[in-house]
Amino acid sequence: SQKIEQNSEALNIQEGKTATLTCNYTNYSPAYLQWYRQDPGRGPVFLLLIRENEKEKRKERLKVTFDTTLKQSLFHITASQPADSATYLCALDTSGGYNKLIFGAGTRLAVHP
Amino acid sequence: NAGVTQTPKFRILKIGQSMTLQCTQDMNHNYMYWYRQDPGMGLKLIYYSVGAGITDKGEVPNGYNVSRSTTEDFPLRLELAAPSQTSVYFCASREGDQPQHFGDGTRLSIL
Repeated sequence: SQKIEQNSEALNIQEGKTATLTCNYTNYSPAYLQWYRQDPGRGPVFLLLIRENEKEKRKERLKVTFDTTLKQSLFHITASQPADSATYLCALDTSGGYNKLIFGAGTRLAVHP
Repeated sequence: NAGVTQTPKFRILKIGQSMTLQCTQDMNHNYMYWYRQDPGMGLKLIYYSVGAGITDKGEVPNGYNVSRSTTEDFPLRLELAAPSQTSVYFCASREGDQPQHFGDGTRLSIL
C-alpha cells in the first residue's frame, strides 16, 4: 500500500542546534516533494520544493534533500530558534499538472532556549 | 491581498444538519482544493477544481459536494452532517507551477 511517514513523536532540540526531520514514502513515484510549516490554529505555509532530479535545495537556514532510491527526504533547520517551533509537513505530488498533494501527518518541532 | 479566506472559523452542527463552508481567494488562481485534517493524520484531499465550472473528486469525497461558478469562490457543502465529518477543513489555491496557498481553516464539530 502507499504510505508517507513522518516521525510522529515531537522533536525537542536546543536553540542553535540543527533540527533534522525525516519524510519516508513507499509505493509512490513523486514528481516532486514539498515541505510546509503549520502553526497551531493556522493553515500550512509553503517552505521549499524539491524535484525528483534534484538532490538538495537550500533557502536561508533551511535545507532539503531528496533521495528517490531510499524514498526519503530530509529537512534541516540550521541554527534553530524558538520561533522555528511548529509542525512541519511533507507532501508528495504524484499527479503531474494537477498538483494533488499527498501529505504526511507532520512532525512537531520544539526549540528550547 | 487577503490570499485565501475561509468562513466561518468555527461551527458546531447537529447530526443531520447541512451547511456550506465558504472559501474565496483574491489571487486569480485557477486551481483550488479542499482538504480535511484530523488529529494525527495528514491532510486528505476532498475535492479540487482546475477552473470555473470544473470540479473533481479527491481521496475522501463522500458526504461532500462542491461547486465552482467563479474563479474566486469554491464552497464546500455538507448535506447531512455526520460525527465522522468533525474535522478541520482547509481550502487552498495555486496557479501555474507555484505551491499551494492555504486559508486558516474552519473547525467543525458535529454533535
